[in-house]
Amino acid sequence: SQKIEQNSEALNIQEGKTATLTCNYTNYSPAYLQWYRQDPGRGPVFLLLIRENEKEKRKERLKVTFDTTLKQSLFHITASQPADSATYLCALTPYASGGSYIPTFGRGTSLIVHP
Amino acid sequence: DTGVSQDPRHKITKRGQNVTFRCDPISEHNRLYWYRQTLGQGPEFLTYFQNEAQLEKSRLLSDRFSAERPKGSFSTLEIQRTEQGDSAMYLCASPDARTGNTIYFGEGSWLTVV
Repeated sequence: SQKIEQNSEALNIQEGKTATLTCNYTNYSPAYLQWYRQDPGRGPVFLLLIRENEKEKRKERLKVTFDTTLKQSLFHITASQPADSATYLCALTPYASGGSYIPTFGRGTSLIVHP
Repeated sequence: DTGVSQDPRHKITKRGQNVTFRCDPISEHNRLYWYRQTLGQGPEFLTYFQNEAQLEKSRLLSDRFSAERPKGSFSTLEIQRTEQGDSAMYLCASPDARTGNTIYFGEGSWLTVV
């Protein structure tokens, strides 16, 4: 069966360090992969998208890598700040006819950045 | 503010009652998704609309659930004869009209069934 795995344990890091979150998947051929941020009680907010033929994407302090051989994506936040504390969700979207492109989400990993 | 509005934000209801949630997506977006999210889990897909047509439904959407999108604008999600297991956050999402890649979520409607 298809699975998207994100570390269920919270990641605790010190301010200023780089946070690295992992998303692994099995039995999936994604057209692209997305990362979202979710704060408690709020809807997810889109951060970055990376396509299957891309290795790396950057946006300000964020970097995403995508290894379709390892079936893994890494999400990095450099120079982390307490305001980066949130849950980060990985979502995979398969190729679909008719343009539905419905993403499937992992359970998310909680990041806590300590001052 | 993503431009996707959901109402109500919170609803407490007694088991067996019916509830309805409304979503107003971004106006030029013709696609709309409903997801459900429980504590500690990621959003789970429920159903997808393109304009007024409901094109996909998850097996999570039992016959107690019905969704509509009249005239391809706002959408409603109704749950009949609510059960405690229906307690969750119901999220509406509006994919970017041009590429469909960027998905804008509403703030969700929290349902508690007591």
